Amino acid sequence: AQSVTQPDIHITVSEGASLELRCNYSYGATPYLFWYVQSPGQGLQLLLKYFSGDTLVQGIKGFEAEFKRSQSSFNLRKPSVHWSDAAEYFCAVGAGGFQKLVFGTGTRLLVSP
Amino acid sequence: DAGVIQSPRHEVTEMGQEVTLRCKPISGHNSLFWYRQTMMRGLELLIYFNNNVPIDDSGMPEDRFSAKMPNASFSTLKIQPSEPRDSAVYFCASSGTVSNQPQHFGDGTRLSIL
Repeated sequence: AQSVTQPDIHITVSEGASLELRCNYSYGATPYLFWYVQSPGQGLQLLLKYFSGDTLVQGIKGFEAEFKRSQSSFNLRKPSVHWSDAAEYFCAVGAGGFQKLVFGTGTRLLVSP
Repeated sequence: DAGVIQSPRHEVTEMGQEVTLRCKPISGHNSLFWYRQTMMRGLELLIYFNNNVPIDDSGMPEDRFSAKMPNASFSTLKIQPSEPRDSAVYFCASSGTVSNQPQHFGDGTRLSIL
């Protein structure tokens, strides 16, 4: 069965510092991978997605993620964090094609001044 | 463009009552998904539809839960009778017909069963 692991429940980063959120997946075929962000009281917003091709994908709000098949990872990065990036971040893998998503448990990002 | 619209945003009701959650997908999208989010279990897919037809309802927790999509612009998730353990945030999402289209989420319905 497909699964996603986000090992960090909480991460605190200073404003202006770089960020990396970890995501490991388990899936037998070529995965469809996604990162979503959720602000309090709101739904999930898509940051970026990977289906094929270039393993470094660019997303909105200055985020990027790198697909590493050998490590079964799809880590999210941002070179300089802004206070408005404080939110919960979810990694997801598309199971049975891109339609059925399996989500990780999320990583809550706190940004300190 | 209007996004996925869910109503109500908040619902508080007593145990045993019927609860109906509503969703209007993005116009032109033909896939619709219902998710439940709790602290204990995270984000779980309950059911999804393609072209108004239920494709996979394996995530529906039990017979008290039912979902319908009578047309391309409207879906409901019903719980009858409701129980306190159904308290959660319920999200609806939709996606388009072209391959590799991501899901767009509504703002959710926060449901509290007393």
